[in-house]
Amino acid sequence: GQQLNQSPQSMFIQEGEDVSMNCTSSSIFNTWLWYKQDPGEGPVLLIALYKAGELTSNGRLTAQFGITRKDSFLNISASIPSDVGIYFCAGQPVSGGYQKVTFGIGTKLQVIP
Amino acid sequence: NAGVTQTPKFQVLKTGQSMTLQCAQDMNHEYMSWYRQDPGMGLRLIHYSVGAGITDQGEVPNGYNVSRSTTEDFPLRLLSAAPSQTSVYFCASRPLDGSEAFFGQGTRLTVV
Repeated sequence: GQQLNQSPQSMFIQEGEDVSMNCTSSSIFNTWLWYKQDPGEGPVLLIALYKAGELTSNGRLTAQFGITRKDSFLNISASIPSDVGIYFCAGQPVSGGYQKVTFGIGTKLQVIP
Repeated sequence: NAGVTQTPKFQVLKTGQSMTLQCAQDMNHEYMSWYRQDPGMGLRLIHYSVGAGITDQGEVPNGYNVSRSTTEDFPLRLLSAAPSQTSVYFCASRPLDGSEAFFGQGTRLTVV
């Protein structure tokens, strides 16, 4: 199956700093999704990307669908304590339906006040 | 506004025991799925359903059964629990024509 490499696996940052994380794939995707998981909760969708080169923002979050269709990036600007959690990327390959969505292993973000 | 509801939230089983993890959604979504979440592995699809009466296997279906008798409910059955099934289980739903999946809060299962 598809391999999704998500990095970094964990981050400790100071409140107010910007954060970047990314996912790369061995296959071409037609959809990239970014989720956040708070402790003890299920993942919640942050941003969905559908087109190569697409850049989409959601408040302080910005995500991009890479031109090669094999990568995606998520940036968080001016981090705050409530940004703490695990961020997952997910990609849907060109062939196959939503059941083929593959998740990255997650980036655990810790924000130091 | 319940969304996706999973029960129980925590469960401890002995090896060989059976149990059913419940999942219900009130958004009239056609697509429902079960994932397991393990450290360093991301979310892996166990089984999914595109509508009542229709189920199919995901990436890691062995040891699990599902059924979909109604649009709302999608229970996951462990017929004979094994320690390898210790994990956090998430149920998710979405409309067939949408990409946003709504997840439940998860069930933390420990098999001893």
